[in-house]
Formats: sequence, structure tokens, C-alpha cells
Amino acid sequence: GENVEQHPSTLSVQEGDSAVIKCTYSDSASNYFPWYKQELGKRPQLIIDIRSNVGEKKDQRIAVTLNKTAKHFSLHITETQPEDSAVYFCAAFYNQGGKLIFGQGTELSVKP
Amino acid sequence: EPEVTQTPSHQVTQMGQEVILRCVPISNHLYFYWYRQILGQKVEFLVSFYNNEISEKSEIFDDQFSVERPDGSNFTLKIRSTKLEDSAMYFCASSVRRDNQPQHFGDGTRLSIL
Repeated sequence: GENVEQHPSTLSVQEGDSAVIKCTYSDSASNYFPWYKQELGKRPQLIIDIRSNVGEKKDQRIAVTLNKTAKHFSLHITETQPEDSAVYFCAAFYNQGGKLIFGQGTELSVKP
Repeated sequence: EPEVTQTPSHQVTQMGQEVILRCVPISNHLYFYWYRQILGQKVEFLVSFYNNEISEKSEIFDDQFSVERPDGSNFTLKIRSTKLEDSAMYFCASSVRRDNQPQHFGDGTRLSIL
């Protein structure tokens, strides 16, 4: 079925440390994997995405890796800052219906 | 930067009443979506819409739900007879093309059913 599993559900790090969030997906046909950051009461905001033709993508302090064989993808945030504190959602694009299936979310807390 | 806009930001309605949530997608986008998020939970797909037709709908999107693009700019979600469990944040999203493209979300409408 259509499912995206995300871990951990909560993550607390010290400012300057790295944070890693991991997701697995069920549909081997999925080819697009975005990550969204959602601050309290606000919209999910796209922060980075990756397509299946690459294994890694980096944008400043944020990187995403993809292992299509294992159906895993991960978000890496380096040199975390308090303003990185938010809920992060991974998602996988399912070709059936052109929809995004979201993971359960990770509440990241960066302590100064 | 163009944004998806949604109105109202908050809607309070009595159970059994009809509600219409409105969205203006980004102007050159062709694919439109509604998602919902119950407080503290993940974002769930409701429906996708293209070329004035529903492309896909989830199990949540039952006969009480409908979508419409009444003109060249608006995209609406109607819930005909609201239930308590419809209380959630409803997000509209749009994308330029269907496959493997970023979906940009609006700020959402918080729907509270009393």
C-alpha cells in the first residue's frame, strides 16, 4: 500500500550539532521525494527535494540522500540553529493520482 | 515570489452545515490539490484536480466532499454536511506539472466544527 514511515518522531539537539531524519517508502515506482518544514500554525514549506536519478543533493546546511534499492531517504541538517526548530515532514510522490504521501513528521528542537 | 492563497484563514461552523474553502493557486500552475492535517498529525492527501476533473481522491474524500474550479483563478473545496471529525487544517497546493514536481502549499484554512 501507500505508506511513508518517518523516524524519529522527536529529535532534540544542541545548537551546532547535526540532525538526521530518516524515511522509508513502500512504492518502488516513486521518483520524487520532497522535504517540508512546518512551523507552528504555518504552511508546510518545501526546503529541499530529490529525484530518483541522483543519490544526494545539498543546499547549504541541508542535504538529502536517497537509496532507491532500499527505499530509504534521509534529511541531514548540519550546524543546526534555533530557527531550525520545527516539524519536518518527508513525502513520496505516488504516480497513481499524482499525490504526495507524507510521513508522520519529526519535531526537531534545537537548544541554544 | 508567487504564493498559493487561501481564504478564510479560520472557519467556525455548526455540525451539519455546508462550508466552502477557497484557494487561488499559483497562476501558471495546472495541477491542484487539497490536503488536510488534523491537529498534531501528518498531512493527508484528499484530492487532486487537473483539467477540470478529479484525478485521484482518497478514502477521506467521500460523497460529502466536492471540488470545483468555478473560474480561471479559484479552486474550491466544499463539505456539504460537516461532521465533528472534519475539524482540521485544510491546505490547498498547486504544481506546474503533475509528475515529480514541487507542490506549493497555501497557508491553510483552520476548520472548526462545533
